[in-house]
Amino acid sequence: DIQMTQSPTTLSASVGDRVTITCRTSQSVDHWLAWFQQKPGRAPKLLIYKVSYLDSGVPSRFSGSGSGTEFTLTISSLQPDDFATYYCQQFRDYWWTFGQGTKVEVK
Amino acid sequence: QVQLQESGPGLVKPSETLSLTCTVSGAADTTHHWSWVRQAPGKGLEWIGHTDFSDTRYNPFLKSRVTISLDTSGTQFSLRLTSVTAADTAVYYCAIYFRGQGGRGFWGQGSLVTVSS
Repeated sequence: DIQMTQSPTTLSASVGDRVTITCRTSQSVDHWLAWFQQKPGRAPKLLIYKVSYLDSGVPSRFSGSGSGTEFTLTISSLQPDDFATYYCQQFRDYWWTFGQGTKVEVK
Repeated sequence: QVQLQESGPGLVKPSETLSLTCTVSGAADTTHHWSWVRQAPGKGLEWIGHTDFSDTRYNPFLKSRVTISLDTSGTQFSLRLTSVTAADTAVYYCAIYFRGQGGRGFWGQGSLVTVSS
C-alpha cells in the first residue's frame, strides 16, 4: 500500500502569510492526488483534485502542484477562514489513503 | 445537486455489528465510487472502502470485518462493520467520488457512532 506523509503536522501562521503544506507518497501516484480542508465538526471539503485542479467555488489563493511522490498545497495569502486542518488523499493504489493531516493554527 | 445523508444507531455495543445507511438524493451515477470514510475523535481521516457495480475495495486493516453494499436503485448504500470495539468509535462519512476525477464528488455530513456497553 502507498504510505502518505504530510508535513508539517502543525503550522502556526498569521493572516496574510504564504503557507505551504507538503504531501509525500511512498510510491508514485501520478496525478491521482487531492487536497481537502476540514473544520471542527464538519465534513471534509475538496479544495484541489488531480494535483492542481481547483474545485468549483474554491478561492484562487489555493493552489496545488507536484508530481510523482511529492506534492504541495499552497495558500498564497492566508485568510481568517483558512485556519483548519488539511489532508491529502491518493487514489492511485488499489486502496486509497489519506495523509495524517496538517493543522493550520493562529500564530 | 446530489446530497448524502448517513443514518443508523449512534450507539453500538462491543462485539456487535455497526450498520449505517447512506441515502442519496439527486441523480447519482452508480459507476462512481460509493465510499465510506471514518474519523475517530481527535484523529485523522481513514478510508474504509468503496464500491460500484463492478468492484468493491476495502481498507486491508478492516477487510475481514467490513461490507459495503450498493442498492441497485442507486439511492442507498450501506456499511456493515462486525465485531466492533471501542477503537471503532468515530464519525462515519459516506461519500461519492466521481470516477476518474481524482477526488471530486459529494460528502455526507457524517454520523457519530459510539461503541460502548
